[in-house]
Amino acid sequence: SQQGEEDPQALSIQEGENATMNCSYKTSINNLQWYRQNSGRGLVHLILIRSNEREKHSGRLRVTLDTSKKSSSLLITASRAADTASYFCATDGNKLVFGAGTILRVKS
Amino acid sequence: SQTIHQWPATLVQPVGSPLSLECTVEGTSNPNLYWYRQAAGRGLQLLFYSVGIGQISSEVPQNLSASRPQDRQFILSSKKLLLSDSGFYLCAWSVDLAGTGELFFGEGSRLTVL
Repeated sequence: SQQGEEDPQALSIQEGENATMNCSYKTSINNLQWYRQNSGRGLVHLILIRSNEREKHSGRLRVTLDTSKKSSSLLITASRAADTASYFCATDGNKLVFGAGTILRVKS
Repeated sequence: SQTIHQWPATLVQPVGSPLSLECTVEGTSNPNLYWYRQAAGRGLQLLFYSVGIGQISSEVPQNLSASRPQDRQFILSSKKLLLSDSGFYLCAWSVDLAGTGELFFGEGSRLTVL
């Protein structure tokens, strides 16, 4: 069964806007990861946040983690057309379990 | 640097035919290896993982099997393909098991069963 569930399923924004994607999970975790997948390609790791961290930054990416609510969010600031991709959260649980992803489309 | 290769990239096979997808990793030793399947517009489903040569763990009962004949080689097979086996198959490796570290993915193999 899937551990992480992303929301929304799809998101369409204009270039320059911020994009926020959310992930909810069900059981306790040690860490949560976010991955990106361009259409028809493999997944690329974006960022890992540990359960004792609340926020983490990497370039234009900001990830938050709320273990009390079992949720995480990924914020992409100043989006670009090249950010168009599917974004997945993954939680460790027993093994890395991926959600269904959010499809982000950034219009130029 | 480490690299992961998957082939073939695209495959069209008739129902009932056999399957062999291959994955190799370069630049690291004793990696943990994974096979995931992604149905169209869906998330990833973990099929198999391996912590060492000859050690295979199956996550989902199905007509697929996996083998690890060498440290950095992982093979996904089927004796008789079903229509439901169509999908995008991704091989990945990691240093740490149990999701404590980053997964590195191959470019995927798209299988269409007709």
